[in-house]
Amino acid sequence: QKEVEQNSGPLSVPEGAIASLNCTYSDRGSQSFFWYRQYSGKSPELIMSIYSNGDKEDGRFTAQLNKASQYVSLLIRDSQPSDSATYLCAVSSSGGSYIPTFGRGTSLIVHP
Amino acid sequence: SAVISQKPSRDICQRGTSLTIQCQVDSQVTMMFWYRQQPGQSLTLIATANQGSEATYESGFVIDKFPISRPNLTFSTLTVSNMSPEDSSIYLCSANEGTGGLGGELFFGEGSRLTVL
Repeated sequence: QKEVEQNSGPLSVPEGAIASLNCTYSDRGSQSFFWYRQYSGKSPELIMSIYSNGDKEDGRFTAQLNKASQYVSLLIRDSQPSDSATYLCAVSSSGGSYIPTFGRGTSLIVHP
Repeated sequence: SAVISQKPSRDICQRGTSLTIQCQVDSQVTMMFWYRQQPGQSLTLIATANQGSEATYESGFVIDKFPISRPNLTFSTLTVSNMSPEDSSIYLCSANEGTGGLGGELFFGEGSRLTVL
């Protein structure tokens, strides 16, 4: 069974700091990796996708992928209180079911 | 990106009744999905809604309990049948972008929060 593991948190960081969110996955055949943000009472929204080993940057967000270690992370630089949300890691495989498997999410709290 | 309208946004239902949730996308999409999210939990895939054919259900979910329709590329419904308090949850409609999407990059409706008494 494919598993995606995240620390549920909460992860509390001060405003302006770097928030680091981590995710591990069990399926070595995984090819696509995603980070979704979910504000309380709202539905998830895609913020980052990454498909190759290494880093991918988009504004204040950086996704990092290490397939050998089966590890994907999301860094949020200059964290803002508006970044406070639950961050869901999602992983999908090629060759058949590309539907992503979601982790339980990490709650991030950015305090002023 | 495309927008999903989902209704009802919330409802309070009596045990033993059924409720149908509607999901409308403002553009044609290849794949539509139905997820359930219980408080503090992640997203659990109920089924993939296939256009013109029967839905594909995940382990633990059956058609008699969660019948799904997908009459075209922009619309789907999920019915929660013979509800019990254990069905109280948020139900989310989801789709991938465009008709050629490979999945994974999903967008979601606002969800339907069901409470069963």
